[in-house]
Order: sequence, then C-alpha cells, then structure tokens
Amino acid sequence: EAGVTQSPTHLIKTRGQQATLRCSPISGHTSVYWYQQALGLGLQFLLWYDEGEERNRGNFPPRFSGRQFPNYSSELNVNALELEDSALYLCASSLGLASPEVSQYFGPGTRLTVL
Amino acid sequence: AQSVTQLGSHVSVSEGALVLLRCNYSSSVPPYLFWYVQYPNQGLQLLLKYTSAATLVKGINGFEAEFKKSETSFHLTKPSAHMSDAAEYFCAVSVKGRRALTFGSGTRLQVQP
Repeated sequence: EAGVTQSPTHLIKTRGQQATLRCSPISGHTSVYWYQQALGLGLQFLLWYDEGEERNRGNFPPRFSGRQFPNYSSELNVNALELEDSALYLCASSLGLASPEVSQYFGPGTRLTVL
Repeated sequence: AQSVTQLGSHVSVSEGALVLLRCNYSSSVPPYLFWYVQYPNQGLQLLLKYTSAATLVKGINGFEAEFKKSETSFHLTKPSAHMSDAAEYFCAVSVKGRRALTFGSGTRLQVQP
C-alpha cells in the first residue's frame, strides 16, 4: 500500500514569491495535516483538513493557506515568501474526524529554500 | 494547551545497551501520546502510540513505552540498541477532538559500535 506522497521533493524560491506544495494521502484517509520543521523551531502544526474543510489552524500568518480536493489530496500555499519560511514541510494523513483511530502517517516532506 | 518536554537533545549508547529516551507531557485533559522516529532527510515514522488503553505500549522495531499519569511521562525504551536505531526521536501529544500534534524538540540517538 502506497504511503503519503509529497511533491516536489525540493523547491527553491526567492523572497516575495509564492510556493505551492502538494500532498496525496494514504488511500482511505480523509484527513490531511501540514507541519513545518524549521531549524531551531522544531516541528510545528500548520493546518488540518478533513473532508474538504479546514478543521484547525496553527499559529501561522494568513499567507500560509491551503485546501483539500475532493480526492482528499491537499495543497499548501505560502505567499509572499520570507527567508524564515525555509524549512522542511511535512504532510501527514489519517482516518477522518469520525474515526477513533488518530494515528498520523507522514510523507517524506518538501524542502523549501527561500533565497 | 498541551506541551512536551524531551530531556536530553543527544543520547549516546553502545550497541547492545539499553535505550531510554525521556518524554514528559503537560495536558489539562487526557492525552494521546506518540513516539516518532526520523532518519536523515526523511519524514517521520510512527513507532508507537498511547490512546488510553493499556499503559504499556509495544511498538515497531522492539521499542516500547509506558504511560505514567502520576509522573506525566511517556518514556521510550528498547532493551538492546542496534546501529540502525541511530536517528532522531520525537515525542508528541494530542487530545481527543483536536488532532494537531504538539511535538517535543527531539532527541538524537547515537549508537556506538
């Protein structure tokens, strides 16, 4: 069974540009989560989508946004990129909101570098 | 709000020795607790989880953890370290209804031959 996939593997942008990161969840999972792993800041929760709806949001500015598509894949968009946005962005998936099973399974990540 | 403290950013053990990685949590409601492992340039792999069933939880690769409510701890152990266990380990907490994971700062495990 395929795991969580993310694309691209690496992304290089310059300050002020926009970045789009993509995630495909494990088959049967309807919840998708985004986390940022930045040097010195650790792993921080960004966003949670379930059944196309944003369910929870971490302490990040509005220029971090995303969406979930009908096939449960998800996009993370980062507008007006700043140098400190350079990080590994991890996507995870799990069974949906109604399920008691809460384990999250992570993809390999997208390394975003902002120059 | 929940929080996690991992004592020791670096732990070094000899191959075959006991592995003990410490995790203490803070939560005002019953927590769900997780241990993940991250190998270089990879995502996180779930080792084990506690979700209010048995307090001693067995995971993959010979790891286990014990939930101790009185000590607010969820330490990760493995009886005998292998070279392949060298990686970074993260403890995380969430609560029912709020799926967002709050992670500790991580512990890098080094295994000496």
